[in-house]
Amino acid sequence: EIVMTQSPATLSVSPGERATLSCRASQSVSSNLAWYQQKPGQAPRLLIYGASTRATGIPARFSGSGSGTEFTLTISSLQSEDFAVYYCQHYNNWPPTFGQGTKVEIK
Amino acid sequence: QVQLQESGPGLVKPSETLSLTCTVSGGSISSYYWSWIRQPAGKGLEWIGRIYSSGSTNYNPSLKSRVTMSVDTSKNQCSLKLSSVTAADTAVYYCARQFGPFDYWGQGTLVTVSS
Repeated sequence: EIVMTQSPATLSVSPGERATLSCRASQSVSSNLAWYQQKPGQAPRLLIYGASTRATGIPARFSGSGSGTEFTLTISSLQSEDFAVYYCQHYNNWPPTFGQGTKVEIK
Repeated sequence: QVQLQESGPGLVKPSETLSLTCTVSGGSISSYYWSWIRQPAGKGLEWIGRIYSSGSTNYNPSLKSRVTMSVDTSKNQCSLKLSSVTAADTAVYYCARQFGPFDYWGQGTLVTVSS
């Protein structure tokens, strides 16, 4: 199975600043990569799929890039509601696997 | 708006079978894949398997020997059975619609394995 590795584990950012999260796949997943946001006590919410396509209703401050094995999620200007854990996930083959998550916390 | 709701016992004894149901509302269960995903407390997400509305399945190889999924299109429901559970199966279990990524999720249900 493909191993997804996210970095950093924790990112401390001030509101209004830019956050850059990384995700690396152990082998190519093409552009079959999604990003999710999860807040405490809630289910994950799909943010990005196809590596760079925003899901319905997702604000433009969220953007995704990359292909193959290296991917990035950028939050251009962090809002208070963006502090959460972010997961990447590939769906290139079976089984789909998730990264271990990056926690974005208030600096 | 599609909504998913997991239901089932919150406590299961070791060696017994965990059984959960996912009820889909606001849309049809037909023509989509429906996955089960779990998350132990404070940990990451693990895909358990998926079922198409026709009944075809794909399971995570790590759990395949213990997992059975089924679908009832007349009730707009899908179900998960996980046999021979241990404490390691304690987690929040989610059902989710899958078109590649997972776009709609249930709120999740906590299942604790304990005697």
